[in-house]
Amino acid sequence: AQKVTQAQTEISVVEKEDVTLDCVYETRDTTYYLFWYKQPPSGELVFLIRRNSFDEQNEISGRYSWNFQKSTSSFNFTITASQVVDSAVYFCALSEGSSSASKIIFGSGTRLSIRP
Amino acid sequence: GAGVSQSPRYKVAKRGQDVALRCDPISGHVSLFWYQQALGQGPEFLTYFQNEAQLDKSGLPSDRFFAERPEGSVSTLKIQRTQQEDSAVYLCASSLGGGAIVGKNIQYFGAGTRLSVL
Repeated sequence: AQKVTQAQTEISVVEKEDVTLDCVYETRDTTYYLFWYKQPPSGELVFLIRRNSFDEQNEISGRYSWNFQKSTSSFNFTITASQVVDSAVYFCALSEGSSSASKIIFGSGTRLSIRP
Repeated sequence: GAGVSQSPRYKVAKRGQDVALRCDPISGHVSLFWYQQALGQGPEFLTYFQNEAQLDKSGLPSDRFFAERPEGSVSTLKIQRTQQEDSAVYLCASSLGGGAIVGKNIQYFGAGTRLSVL
């Protein structure tokens, strides 16, 4: 069965601190995709990153970085020098197989609050 | 439009009432998905369309839920005889590729319709 676990329900840090959001996934497929989405108060899910199961290279995009480790089935997300605008709910997600028709399975989300 | 558009943004219904939620996907996107997001939870898959064909409806919680996409563009999610447990945000997502395209296409989401059943 496929499952995504985000153990951190809420995180609150002071602006400029670094923060890591944890994500652990379960799947029996050898081909799968992992995602992170951001959901600000407006409600729209904003795509942040997609990573396939054959690419374990870590990725950095500005203040955001992602650490994918198949050995521990984890896909963690780090925000460096956090800002108030980073406050949102962040979802880690999984999609099995290579078809674009596959549904996405979401974790329960981590609510991140950045205090000025 | 530039993104996925959903209407209405908010809907209040009396228990037993029928509702219809609309989704306008990104122009040219073949795939369309509906998700249900309960308060404090992640979105859960309801159904998937490739053009006008509904290829997966395994997530629809009951036969009161019905979705269509007759011309392969705009989609409507209809809930008949609404119940309080139907209260949630209903999200629509679209992606570029259909089943013939290998590789995982990114799903772009609308802002959702918040349904409250009283």
